[in-house]
Amino acid sequence: GENVEQHPSTLSVQEGDSAVIKCTYSDSASNYFPWYKQELGKGPQLIIDIRSNVGEKKDQRIAVTLNKTAKHFSLHITETQPEDSAVYFCAASDRNDYKLSFGAGTTVTVRA
Amino acid sequence: KAGVTQTPRYLIKTRGQQVTLSCSPISGHRSVSWYQQTPGQGLQFLFEYFSETQRNKGNFPGRFSGRQFSNSRSEMNVSTLELGDSALYLCASSLLGQGIAGNTIYFGEGSWLTVV
Repeated sequence: GENVEQHPSTLSVQEGDSAVIKCTYSDSASNYFPWYKQELGKGPQLIIDIRSNVGEKKDQRIAVTLNKTAKHFSLHITETQPEDSAVYFCAASDRNDYKLSFGAGTTVTVRA
Repeated sequence: KAGVTQTPRYLIKTRGQQVTLSCSPISGHRSVSWYQQTPGQGLQFLFEYFSETQRNKGNFPGRFSGRQFSNSRSEMNVSTLELGDSALYLCASSLLGQGIAGNTIYFGEGSWLTVV
Protein backbone atom coordinates (compact mmCIF):
# COMPACT_ATOMS: atom_id res chain seq x y z
CA GLY A 1 0.00 0.00 0.00
CA GLU A 2 0.85 3.67 -0.18
CA ASN A 3 3.23 5.14 2.41
CA VAL A 4 3.39 8.93 2.74
CA GLU A 5 6.14 10.59 4.74
CA GLN A 6 5.95 14.24 5.70
CA HIS A 7 8.67 16.63 6.94
CA PRO A 8 9.18 18.55 9.09
CA SER A 9 6.82 17.62 11.91
CA THR A 10 6.95 21.17 13.29
CA LEU A 11 7.81 24.43 11.59
CA SER A 12 8.12 27.88 13.13
CA VAL A 13 8.43 30.87 10.82
CA GLN A 14 8.48 34.64 11.21
CA GLU A 15 5.44 36.42 9.86
CA GLY A 16 6.07 37.38 6.27
CA ASP A 17 8.57 34.60 5.63
CA SER A 18 7.91 31.50 3.54
CA ALA A 19 7.11 28.00 4.77
CA VAL A 20 7.84 24.78 2.91
CA ILE A 21 6.53 21.31 3.78
CA LYS A 22 7.76 18.26 1.91
CA CYS A 23 6.17 14.85 1.39
CA THR A 24 7.31 11.67 -0.29
CA TYR A 25 5.16 8.78 -1.46
CA SER A 26 5.92 5.19 -2.29
CA ASP A 27 3.31 4.10 -4.84
CA SER A 28 4.22 5.17 -8.36
CA ALA A 29 0.57 4.63 -9.36
CA SER A 30 -0.58 7.51 -7.14
CA ASN A 31 -2.09 10.25 -9.23
CA TYR A 32 -3.73 12.72 -6.86
CA PHE A 33 -2.08 14.77 -4.12
CA PRO A 34 -4.25 17.00 -1.91
CA TRP A 35 -3.14 19.16 1.00
CA TYR A 36 -5.31 19.79 4.06
CA LYS A 37 -5.18 22.43 6.76
CA GLN A 38 -6.53 21.67 10.22
CA GLU A 39 -7.16 24.51 12.61
CA LEU A 40 -7.55 23.94 16.31
CA GLY A 41 -10.83 22.23 17.14
CA LYS A 42 -11.83 21.73 13.52
CA GLY A 43 -11.69 19.04 10.92
CA PRO A 44 -9.12 19.17 8.10
CA GLN A 45 -10.02 21.33 5.12
CA LEU A 46 -8.72 21.01 1.57
CA ILE A 47 -6.54 23.98 0.63
CA ILE A 48 -4.99 22.89 -2.65
CA ASP A 49 -4.49 19.75 -4.69
CA ILE A 50 -2.51 18.62 -7.71
CA ARG A 51 -2.88 15.80 -10.19
CA SER A 52 -0.04 13.72 -11.52
CA ASN A 53 -0.15 15.28 -14.97
CA VAL A 54 0.71 18.72 -13.57
CA GLY A 55 4.04 19.82 -12.12
CA GLU A 56 2.98 22.91 -10.24
CA LYS A 57 -0.19 24.64 -9.11
CA LYS A 58 -0.62 27.97 -7.41
CA ASP A 59 -3.49 29.63 -5.56
CA GLN A 60 -2.69 33.08 -4.19
CA ARG A 61 -0.07 32.59 -1.45
CA ILE A 62 0.04 28.82 -1.58
CA ALA A 63 1.57 26.58 -4.21
CA VAL A 64 2.24 22.90 -4.62
CA THR A 65 4.95 21.26 -6.71
CA LEU A 66 5.15 17.64 -7.78
CA ASN A 67 8.16 15.62 -8.90
CA LYS A 68 6.83 12.29 -10.14
CA THR A 69 10.24 10.88 -10.90
CA ALA A 70 11.46 11.43 -7.36
CA LYS A 71 8.00 10.73 -5.92
CA HIS A 72 7.84 13.83 -3.81
CA PHE A 73 5.63 16.88 -3.58
CA SER A 74 5.83 20.07 -1.57
CA LEU A 75 3.60 22.81 -0.20
CA HIS A 76 4.89 26.37 -0.32
CA ILE A 77 3.27 29.18 1.65
CA THR A 78 4.59 32.66 0.93
CA GLU A 79 4.17 35.84 2.99
CA THR A 80 2.97 33.85 5.97
CA GLN A 81 0.37 35.37 8.27
CA PRO A 82 -0.76 34.44 11.80
CA GLU A 83 -3.88 32.76 10.38
CA ASP A 84 -1.63 30.30 8.56
CA SER A 85 -0.80 28.73 11.94
CA ALA A 86 -2.34 25.24 11.82
CA VAL A 87 -1.54 21.59 11.19
CA TYR A 88 -1.01 20.73 7.53
CA PHE A 89 -1.44 17.26 6.08
CA CYS A 90 -0.34 15.99 2.72
CA ALA A 91 -2.01 12.98 1.13
CA ALA A 92 -1.66 10.73 -1.87
CA SER A 93 -4.09 8.43 -3.56
CA ASP A 94 -4.12 5.63 -6.09
CA ARG A 95 -7.19 5.82 -8.31
CA ASN A 96 -7.28 2.04 -8.44
CA ASP A 97 -8.14 1.44 -4.81
CA TYR A 98 -9.93 4.63 -3.78
CA LYS A 99 -7.65 5.07 -0.82
CA LEU A 100 -6.25 8.34 0.44
CA SER A 101 -3.10 7.97 2.54
CA PHE A 102 -2.11 10.87 4.78
CA GLY A 103 1.22 12.10 6.03
CA ALA A 104 1.72 12.50 9.78
CA GLY A 105 1.16 16.26 9.67
CA THR A 106 3.22 19.42 10.13
CA THR A 107 2.41 21.91 12.88
CA VAL A 108 3.11 25.36 11.49
CA THR A 109 3.47 28.31 13.87
CA VAL A 110 3.75 31.81 12.46
CA ARG A 111 5.46 34.18 14.90
CA ALA A 112 4.28 37.78 14.89
CA LYS B 1 -25.43 23.97 2.24
CA ALA B 2 -24.95 22.13 5.53
CA GLY B 3 -21.56 20.57 6.15
CA VAL B 4 -20.67 17.20 7.60
CA THR B 5 -22.27 16.79 11.01
CA GLN B 6 -20.86 14.50 13.65
CA THR B 7 -22.46 13.61 16.96
CA PRO B 8 -21.69 13.56 19.76
CA ARG B 9 -18.82 16.07 19.79
CA TYR B 10 -17.40 14.93 23.10
CA LEU B 11 -17.86 11.80 25.13
CA ILE B 12 -16.20 9.91 27.94
CA LYS B 13 -16.47 6.15 28.21
CA THR B 14 -15.12 3.53 30.55
CA ARG B 15 -12.76 0.80 29.43
CA GLY B 16 -14.74 -2.25 28.28
CA GLN B 17 -17.80 -0.28 27.20
CA GLN B 18 -18.88 0.28 23.63
CA VAL B 19 -19.55 3.50 21.77
CA THR B 20 -21.49 4.52 18.67
CA LEU B 21 -20.63 7.67 16.72
CA SER B 22 -22.84 9.19 14.08
CA CYS B 23 -22.09 11.10 10.89
CA SER B 24 -24.46 12.92 8.57
CA PRO B 25 -22.75 13.66 5.24
CA ILE B 26 -23.34 16.60 2.97
CA SER B 27 -26.61 16.23 1.11
CA GLY B 28 -26.12 14.22 -2.07
CA HIS B 29 -22.82 12.67 -0.99
CA ARG B 30 -22.81 8.89 -1.15
CA SER B 31 -19.35 8.23 0.25
CA VAL B 32 -18.54 8.40 3.95
CA SER B 33 -15.10 7.65 5.35
CA TRP B 34 -13.98 7.40 8.95
CA TYR B 35 -10.58 8.31 10.36
CA GLN B 36 -8.95 8.08 13.75
CA GLN B 37 -6.69 10.98 14.67
CA THR B 38 -4.21 10.77 17.53
CA PRO B 39 -1.32 13.13 18.33
CA GLY B 40 1.40 10.67 17.40
CA GLN B 41 -0.28 8.77 14.55
CA GLY B 42 -1.88 11.44 12.44
CA LEU B 43 -4.92 10.46 10.39
CA GLN B 44 -5.49 6.72 10.27
CA PHE B 45 -8.09 5.41 7.84
CA LEU B 46 -10.74 3.17 9.39
CA PHE B 47 -13.18 2.41 6.58
CA GLU B 48 -15.20 3.86 3.74
CA TYR B 49 -18.81 3.27 2.84
CA PHE B 50 -20.36 4.01 -0.51
CA SER B 51 -24.07 3.50 -1.13
CA GLU B 52 -24.41 1.34 2.00
CA THR B 53 -21.51 -0.95 1.08
CA GLN B 54 -18.12 -1.01 2.75
CA ARG B 55 -15.72 -0.31 -0.10
CA ASN B 56 -12.46 -0.05 1.81
CA LYS B 57 -11.10 -0.94 5.21
CA GLY B 58 -7.99 0.10 7.09
CA ASN B 59 -5.86 -1.93 9.46
CA PHE B 60 -7.93 -1.78 12.61
CA PRO B 61 -9.14 -4.67 14.76
CA GLY B 62 -12.62 -6.09 14.40
CA ARG B 63 -13.76 -4.10 17.44
CA PHE B 64 -14.13 -1.20 15.02
CA SER B 65 -17.14 -1.51 12.76
CA GLY B 66 -19.41 0.72 10.79
CA ARG B 67 -22.45 0.90 8.61
CA GLN B 68 -24.20 3.24 6.25
CA PHE B 69 -27.91 3.75 5.90
CA SER B 70 -29.97 4.34 2.78
CA ASN B 71 -29.94 8.10 3.42
CA SER B 72 -26.10 7.97 3.46
CA ARG B 73 -25.85 8.66 7.18
CA SER B 74 -23.21 6.52 8.78
CA GLU B 75 -22.40 5.17 12.20
CA MET B 76 -19.23 3.65 13.56
CA ASN B 77 -19.08 1.44 16.60
CA VAL B 78 -16.20 0.53 18.83
CA SER B 79 -16.76 -2.38 21.19
CA THR B 80 -14.79 -3.36 24.27
CA LEU B 81 -13.12 0.04 24.50
CA GLU B 82 -9.45 0.26 25.39
CA LEU B 83 -7.51 3.22 26.76
CA GLY B 84 -5.69 3.47 23.43
CA ASP B 85 -8.96 4.13 21.61
CA SER B 86 -8.97 7.65 23.03
CA ALA B 87 -8.81 9.85 19.95
CA LEU B 88 -10.58 12.26 17.67
CA TYR B 89 -12.76 10.35 15.24
CA LEU B 90 -13.32 12.19 11.98
CA CYS B 91 -15.93 11.54 9.36
CA ALA B 92 -15.49 12.71 5.78
CA SER B 93 -18.01 12.77 2.97
CA SER B 94 -17.70 13.14 -0.78
CA LEU B 95 -19.67 12.57 -3.96
CA LEU B 96 -17.61 9.76 -5.42
CA GLY B 97 -15.25 8.56 -2.70
CA GLN B 98 -11.87 9.37 -1.24
CA GLY B 99 -8.80 9.39 -3.38
CA ILE B 100 -10.44 10.35 -6.66
CA ALA B 101 -8.74 13.24 -8.39
CA GLY B 102 -10.84 16.35 -8.32
CA ASN B 103 -13.35 14.83 -5.93
CA THR B 104 -13.07 16.87 -2.75
CA ILE B 105 -13.66 15.19 0.57
CA TYR B 106 -15.15 17.28 3.35
CA PHE B 107 -14.41 16.56 6.98
CA GLY B 108 -16.66 17.03 9.96
CA GLU B 109 -15.35 18.55 13.18
CA GLY B 110 -15.00 15.15 14.77
CA SER B 111 -16.05 13.31 17.88
CA TRP B 112 -13.62 13.45 20.78
CA LEU B 113 -13.63 10.11 22.59
CA THR B 114 -11.90 9.72 25.94
CA VAL B 115 -11.66 6.25 27.44
CA VAL B 116 -10.95 6.12 31.17
